[in-house]
Amino acid sequence: GAVVSQHPSWVICKSGTSVKIECRSLDFQATTMFWYRQFPKQSLMLMATSNEGSKATYEQGVEKDKFLINHASLTLSTLTVTSAHPEDSSFYICSAAGRSSALWGGYTFGSGTRLTVV
Amino acid sequence: LAKTTQPISMDSYEGQEVNITCSHNNIATNDYITWYQQFPSQGPRFIIQGYKTKVTNEVASLFIPADRKSSTLSLPRVSLSDTAVYYCLVGEYDYKLSFGAGTTVTVRA
Repeated sequence: GAVVSQHPSWVICKSGTSVKIECRSLDFQATTMFWYRQFPKQSLMLMATSNEGSKATYEQGVEKDKFLINHASLTLSTLTVTSAHPEDSSFYICSAAGRSSALWGGYTFGSGTRLTVV
Repeated sequence: LAKTTQPISMDSYEGQEVNITCSHNNIATNDYITWYQQFPSQGPRFIIQGYKTKVTNEVASLFIPADRKSSTLSLPRVSLSDTAVYYCLVGEYDYKLSFGAGTTVTVRA
């Protein structure tokens, strides 16, 4: 089945530093990947849509200069939280559509990254 | 984007069947209905997907009426490990999905 690997699973960083989160589709090519953020006891909030080879599309209210997304290949998308602050502490999750549209069986999600900014 | 509405929470006991209904009145022709399960501090996990009528796999069944304006996820004989948040999403391939609040299912012994 389609597998999405997300690393790291957790990270602690100091305020003001940057953190990169990787999302890889291991056994399929993902032309589109999505990045979500989830605060405790809340639902997933879509941050941006990442398309291979083009600029990401950010949802309203999400700072594109703070959350840098790169989708350099069909199997890798990265999210960099720049100049992180404690309010950026959250659970970040990526997802991708596996297979082709004809065989689509829903999105595959990464295991998530717990970011804590101290 | 088709908006979904589902109950905030449901309680059940081990061995019972749990049915969660999701409303999606403005579902589009190309939209599929997909259900995901999420445990704390984990990414959502695919449960089942359907377009119309009934779909069954090894973990659940999905019932979709002819008008497709709602769907019901059926979890047979739940166990404690089925305690999780269940999300109903509607959309087509490669299109961004918006998560609603989901349904928190609590299974008690």
